[in-house]
Amino acid sequence: NAGVTQTPKFQVLKTGQSMTLQCAQDMNHNSMYWYRQDPGMGLRLIYYSASEGTTDKGEVPNGYNVSRLNKREFSLRLESAAPSQTSVYFCASSGTYYEQYFGPGTRLTVT
Amino acid sequence: QKEVEQNSGPLSVPEGAIASLNCTYSDRGSQSFFWYRQYSGKSPELIMSIYSNGDKEDGRFTAQLNKASQYVSLLIRDSQPSDSATYLCAVSLGGGADGLTFGKGTHLIIQP
Repeated sequence: NAGVTQTPKFQVLKTGQSMTLQCAQDMNHNSMYWYRQDPGMGLRLIYYSASEGTTDKGEVPNGYNVSRLNKREFSLRLESAAPSQTSVYFCASSGTYYEQYFGPGTRLTVT
Repeated sequence: QKEVEQNSGPLSVPEGAIASLNCTYSDRGSQSFFWYRQYSGKSPELIMSIYSNGDKEDGRFTAQLNKASQYVSLLIRDSQPSDSATYLCAVSLGGGADGLTFGKGTHLIIQP
């Protein structure tokens, strides 16, 4: 039982490059989330998927797209990376009582 | 705009003492409240959830909720050096799975 897994763990991109962050959970949770964490800003919600087949914007969605591939997997895509997207990205999933469980994170640097 | 406020610290507590962490939130409709622990370079780890007014105890941890005052707290008894971390308060409206609003965290240091 791995919980929430994320790939890759680290990534360096040049401005304008694209990439997809992958997330999977094996807890049979309906809801999944993407957050970014920046120094002094705390954790901020980018996008979420309340259930398979639905996605919604969070607090900071600009520059990102998401895909809920199936119940287990939720990916985050940066189409044209910018230095402002340098951050640590966390995926999370939640069960019945909205408790969220986080993956190990992806540390992204955009130069 | 939903806001969750925490004192950033650092909060320094001697080993064996009680650490008290506080959090206030702005949205009166909030229904679900969580405390996460985050070690440097690691992901947030859920340590407590509380949904109704009063106290909830789990081992050395006690969460306290006062909805009238819009206040949540976390007490850590018999503090250990391994409790040194950043503690994040998170709040959800609870009416749907629309994500959590996090405070910026309190940095706790347990002095041996």
